[in-house]
Amino acid sequence: DTGVSQDPRHKITKRGQNVTFRCDPISEHNRLYWYRQTLGQGPEFLTYFQNEAQLEKSRLLSDRFSAERPKGSFSTLEIQRTEQGDSAMYLCASSPGQSNTEAFFGQGTRLTVV
Amino acid sequence: AQKVTQAQTEISVVEKEDVTLDCVYETRDTTYYLFWYKQPPSGELVFLIRRNSFDEQNEISGRYSWNFQKSTSSFNFTITASQVVDSAVYFCALRTSSGSARQLTFGSGTQLTVLP
Repeated sequence: DTGVSQDPRHKITKRGQNVTFRCDPISEHNRLYWYRQTLGQGPEFLTYFQNEAQLEKSRLLSDRFSAERPKGSFSTLEIQRTEQGDSAMYLCASSPGQSNTEAFFGQGTRLTVV
Repeated sequence: AQKVTQAQTEISVVEKEDVTLDCVYETRDTTYYLFWYKQPPSGELVFLIRRNSFDEQNEISGRYSWNFQKSTSSFNFTITASQVVDSAVYFCALRTSSGSARQLTFGSGTQLTVLP
């Protein structure tokens, strides 16, 4: 399967702990996106990479959140000092370089902060 | 600013019925792209269709059809002869050509349940 892969699929953590998620995009895609989805809502944009450069960040991405894509391939999203409000599904997507193409999504990482 | 509204939170139909999911969007851009995604219980968003703002032709793909009307800023999705496997959350999304041009703005989704 050469789709977008996310790891882990589920994460339960205690409030105040740090967590890190990984996303492996489709190999030939140079654009990578992170979205957050809470229950009953549509995904909300967090950040966007073109190759290794982080080109856009949403206001939703507080200073406790950091994302990297060091070699322009896989990406990590880290949340420091987790809060209960961080509980959500974190979705990664990738797309080729053309602006009018669709993004392909992974299955997401469901984070529960207890 | 961009906005997508899916007024139908939940729809329930009996198998073989036709069902239309509504999507209304707002943007000041003249060039934009509209999308529909399906999210089954597994969580992955599955791409269904992309439409650009200059192409108002309706499209049919098997049991799926889409009606794009710029005059009413709507991009509605119809499933003909629904099946139980169509049960999922369906999202309409918008991407514009200016500002934060790379991000998708999603509606809140419509939960479709097809009963046997």
